[in-house]
Amino acid sequence: DAGVTQSPTHLIKTRGQQVTLRCSPKSGHDTVSWYQQALGQGPQFIFQYYEEEERQRGNFPDRFSGHQFPNYSSELNVNALLLGDSALYLCASSFRQGVQPQHFGDGTRLSIL
Amino acid sequence: GEDVEQSLFLSVREGDSSVINCTYTDSSSTYLYWYKQEPGAGLQLLTYIFSNMDMKQDQRLTVLLNKKDKHLSLRIADTQTGDSAIYFCAEGSNTGKLIFGQGTTLQVKP
Repeated sequence: DAGVTQSPTHLIKTRGQQVTLRCSPKSGHDTVSWYQQALGQGPQFIFQYYEEEERQRGNFPDRFSGHQFPNYSSELNVNALLLGDSALYLCASSFRQGVQPQHFGDGTRLSIL
Repeated sequence: GEDVEQSLFLSVREGDSSVINCTYTDSSSTYLYWYKQEPGAGLQLLTYIFSNMDMKQDQRLTVLLNKKDKHLSLRIADTQTGDSAIYFCAEGSNTGKLIFGQGTTLQVKP
């Protein structure tokens, strides 16, 4: 039973560039949520996708956008990268939004130079 | 507003019990979670408790919930060196958004 998988594991970008991160949910899950974890902090909720629509959004600017595909996988896109976007980006999956606990992937470490 | 607070550091000896504490503010939370994060890794779901429960036990882990004081604790019995990690408390609604604390670093000394 495959868990949540994320790609890539590490990424280095420069300021102003754009990045796309990918997530495949755990088998049987239909909801994907994205979190940003800065060094030494707890994860912060970015947004949640369910039935291919953004259902909830945290306090993140419009530079952060996403998509969910019919197979429930998801992408996180960040435009006009800033140094402050350097963080671990975590994907979590669950069933029907919050009916079951969320399971997390190992994350993508994004470094902005 | 939504807020979750944890103490930042706990040090115990191998074989002792560890107790990690957490307070939260959102009384509408449906679930409360404990996640473990090892260096360079993602979050591992340890256990969770529904907001209408007082206690949950799962092998070496015991979760206590005091709804009146909005206080959650995680007790790890017979703590091992492999338990050294950062432990996050999180509150969640039935829509799935999780609010995390800052994490408690557990150091287990041999």
